[in-house]
Amino acid sequence: DAGITQSPRHKVTETGTPVTLRCHQTENHRYMYWYRQDPGHGLRLIHYSYGVKDTDKGEVSDGYSVSRSKTEDFLLTLESATSSQTSVYFCAISEPPGTDYEQYFGPGTRLTVT
Amino acid sequence: ILNVEQSPQSLHVQEGDSTNFTCSFPSSNFYALHWYRWETAKSPEALFVMTLNGDEKKKGRISATLNTKEGYSYLYIKGSQPEDSATYLCASLNTGGFKTIFGAGTRLFVKA
Repeated sequence: DAGITQSPRHKVTETGTPVTLRCHQTENHRYMYWYRQDPGHGLRLIHYSYGVKDTDKGEVSDGYSVSRSKTEDFLLTLESATSSQTSVYFCAISEPPGTDYEQYFGPGTRLTVT
Repeated sequence: ILNVEQSPQSLHVQEGDSTNFTCSFPSSNFYALHWYRWETAKSPEALFVMTLNGDEKKKGRISATLNTKEGYSYLYIKGSQPEDSATYLCASLNTGGFKTIFGAGTRLFVKA
């Protein structure tokens, strides 16, 4: 298994509070991604990173920000959590071009916003 | 934003049945097509990465084909087993490969 961990694994928070999720990898892969899992949508890309300090938006980036100050860590922040952000969040990594961006996923973080 | 469609949404088969699912994706600026297998309470795992038109890949009883000109890929499972029960996701990458757009998945249930 690829060395990807996510923390916390479960979190319950209140509407309006800031929340930060962490993805940590030991594979030295250049690309990292944050997805959210929603019924009927599969996985939707929130933000991704293609190197330290290099990030870009995905298809559902509103209300989320990211930071990557080290190769191994990719942080996802919900500035002011809303109930619509209740979801399971997956981090993934890849190391193109040889793998054609095949992604390895972390175990997921279940976030509940009450 | 690319639109990746998968059909059917769910499928119930008996053990031993062969089955197939479809993934359709925009063919313009195509770079790669991924298939992932996602078991309940686990993380998605890559099955196939396909880039060339006409590609056929096989892993045990599971195989996939790719048509980049018309924008579709088929995933086949021969002799389904209960352990094949999972959600099968396809994902399309456009030129540059940074952004991966996933379909909603096909949920397969295999009854013993």
